[in-house]
Amino acid sequence: KNEVEQSPQNLTAQEGEFITINCSYSVGISALHWLQQHPGGGIVSLFMLSSGKKKHGRLIATINIQEKHSSLHITASHPRDSAVYICAVITGNEKLTFGTGTRLTIIP
Amino acid sequence: NAGVTQTPKFQVLKTGQSMTLQCAQDMNHEYMSWYRQDPGMGLRLIHYSVGAGITDQGEVPNGYNVSRSTTEDFPLRLLSAAPSQTSVYFCASSSGTSVYNEQFFGPGTRLTVL
Repeated sequence: KNEVEQSPQNLTAQEGEFITINCSYSVGISALHWLQQHPGGGIVSLFMLSSGKKKHGRLIATINIQEKHSSLHITASHPRDSAVYICAVITGNEKLTFGTGTRLTIIP
Repeated sequence: NAGVTQTPKFQVLKTGQSMTLQCAQDMNHEYMSWYRQDPGMGLRLIHYSVGAGITDQGEVPNGYNVSRSTTEDFPLRLLSAAPSQTSVYFCASSSGTSVYNEQFFGPGTRLTVL
């Protein structure tokens, strides 16, 4: 079993829908990153959080360290949000362990 | 700022050949790392460095060497390429000496070993 599990693996939605992507982990962590991988392959950092909630534009990330769960929400989704969203946890040895990603497709 | 640059973008090698993947950053970041991305798997750490002259192994270091002679450059060397090293390789950097800061990724190098 992977230490970091993301769900769903694939998600297709209509433009404007509210999107939720989940990340669960089985190890103790101190913080978590959410990343976005564009269709061309480039990876950009969205959030790093260790507690509570962070918001940037239409993106909201939440984490509950004790429940070993984080979510990434996208409000008013747009086709340009189509990408693979990756969660990566910071484990006790201060290394990143990555999930396999959620492929999001937004249909106009 | 160019950010994190990687060369080449694509490379095909024959089994047994050696090569160096280049990575450079112009943000004066201390922390640099190399990952490989394989289908159906998350990115995996190969090697990392917390500053010039300091390197350490990650999760999958076998078959790879690194050095960090300057803050800017962090090349990854494949000593004797094997088909199992076919992958997409990403270099990343961040400020400070840990992964608690924003990670900046290069565009990746797609390597095929025949």
